[in-house]
Formats: sequence, C-alpha cells, structure tokens
Amino acid sequence: DAGVTQSPTHLIKTRGQQVTLRCSPKSGHDTVSWYQQALGQGPQFIFQYYEEEERQRGNFPDRFSGHQFPNYSSELNVNALLLGDSALYLCASSLDRGLQGYTFGSGTRLTVV
Amino acid sequence: GQQVMQIPQYQHVQEGEDFTTYCNSSTTLSNIQWYKQRPGGHPVFLIQLVKSGEVKKQKRLTFQFGEAKKNSSLHITATQTTDVGTYFCVGGGYQKVTFGTGTKLQVIP
Repeated sequence: DAGVTQSPTHLIKTRGQQVTLRCSPKSGHDTVSWYQQALGQGPQFIFQYYEEEERQRGNFPDRFSGHQFPNYSSELNVNALLLGDSALYLCASSLDRGLQGYTFGSGTRLTVV
Repeated sequence: GQQVMQIPQYQHVQEGEDFTTYCNSSTTLSNIQWYKQRPGGHPVFLIQLVKSGEVKKQKRLTFQFGEAKKNSSLHITATQTTDVGTYFCVGGGYQKVTFGTGTKLQVIP
C-alpha cells in the first residue's frame, strides 16, 4: 500500500523541547499539508508545502516550521513545546495542491508533559 | 478569516433512519470536500463538489453544494452502524484549507 506514512506514531516530549515529525506522501502525490487535531476537535490547518516551498499557512506561530524534500516527503518541526501542543498531528498528501482531495496518514500522537 | 460551521454538532439516530449534516461557510468557496473520520482514525476523503448547485451520490450518501457556493449538505439514507464517525466538510482548493466543526454521528443498532 503506497498510502501516507507518518513517523513516529507516538511521542512524549517535555515542555520547552523541540520535536520533528516526518511524513512520506502517497505515491504520485506532490503536495503535503500538516494539521493539528486536539482531542474532540476538528483538524486545524498548519501549512502546506508544494515544490519544496510553504504555499499556505494557518494561524500557527513561528514555532511551527516545516520542510519539503525533493522526493516530496516532509517534516514538521515544533520548537519550545508547550503543554497545549499536545495533539494528533496529521499529514495529508495530494495532487495539484489539494484540488482532488487529500489522503491522510494515521497521524503522530504528541504528548507534551 | 474564513469560518466553516456544521450543524448539528452531534446526532444520534436509530439504525435505518436518515441523517443529514449541514455545512455553512462565511465566505464563498471554490470547492468543498467531505471527509469521514472513524473513532480513533484519520479523515478519509469522500467526495469533492465544485459547481454551484452540484449534487453527487455515492450509494446511500447524497452530497449537495449550494447555489451560492457557501453551503453544502450530506444526507445518508437508511443509516447503518458502519456509518458511525465524524463527518467534516472542508473548504479546499487554493484558498486556505478550513475544516468544518464536524458532525459526530452515532447509530443505535
């Protein structure tokens, strides 16, 4: 199955630390978007990467940054972790910047203590 | 900024009953997508609507995009226990992607 792969699946970090989450898009997809989903809430858009550049950004502080590599995989970095950053982080890949729908990965569950 | 609201927030139905969730955007949408998220799972793409007044069907599911492209609906006929989950509409395309607030559907066998 060439779906969206995210790693790690679970992570526990201490407040103030930094974290890097990784995403490999579905085969053939060129766009990667990241979302934060708090428990019981809908996913909140963080940013979208296309052609190795950040194309759109949601209402998240600069502590959240990302990168897309030539093979379309992507990383999400969060600095100076806060307790409120605890959430499920979802990666979604797509073609043509999402105009044909997004394929989501299973997510990384981040817990900040 | 753009806001996408869904109603109802929760819905409990008896198996076999119909279900409808409504999605309303504060701004005109270039397109709208619908996703289903099972408990403990991740969102799964269901469909995309692009044209004003568009109606699409997938078996027991009927999706509609409003004439003004600011609202949409998802109707499920004769619900089954496999329909349990949270349904999200998403204002997508080149504009900032905004998930709706979601409607959580519980189906009572």
